[in-house]
Amino acid sequence: QVQLQESGPGLVKPSETLSLTCTVSGGSISDYYWSWIRQPPGKGLEWIGYIYYSGSTSDNPSLKSRVTMSLDTSKSQFSLKLSSVTAADTAVYYCAGAYNNGWYYFDQWGQGILVTVFS
Amino acid sequence: DIQMTQSPSSLSASVGDRVTITCRASQSIGTYLHWYQQKPGNAPKLLIYAASSLQSGVPSRFSGSGSGTDFTLTINSLQPEDFATYYCQQTYSAPHTFGQGTQLEIK
Repeated sequence: QVQLQESGPGLVKPSETLSLTCTVSGGSISDYYWSWIRQPPGKGLEWIGYIYYSGSTSDNPSLKSRVTMSLDTSKSQFSLKLSSVTAADTAVYYCAGAYNNGWYYFDQWGQGILVTVFS
Repeated sequence: DIQMTQSPSSLSASVGDRVTITCRASQSIGTYLHWYQQKPGNAPKLLIYAASSLQSGVPSRFSGSGSGTDFTLTINSLQPEDFATYYCQQTYSAPHTFGQGTQLEIK
């Protein structure tokens, strides 16, 4: 059973970079597309992007190239950096895994971490 | 980007009812459509993938159908634990957009 756990600061100042890490246990890092999804308080889900173990990435153009994703296979971790944050980036951030079967649905989720952009 | 529109946005129903939630894509997405259930304070949970395949461990009262642009999630004989918010998601092309959600409430 794959388990995912997000970690990182819960508070980030405006204009700074949000950095989160997701630790994967119980599964192979090469079997999934590792993804980030966020949910502003009281609102719906927004797909941020994914990274595959080959290094290929895809991210949401709505985030205007502020997204950087990376993968550390030795630590079974993947990370998200979101630059130049504003209050609009306040959200619960989920890491998730989509098994590499061509369908990209998320069958594994972390519990989520609330990140507040606050000066 | 492919826009996903769910209807209704909210729905009141009683235990034992049959409910249907629809999801419409702004362009054809084949069957690259998935359904999630989210309860307050929890991560979403996959219910249906590829439009109509039931995820392992999900009760058979949940079913999905559709292809192209129009999809439905049906819940037969609602149980108390089914009151939650439901989201559709397309993964036909990036960005893999979600619908805005349908909140299912107890009548």
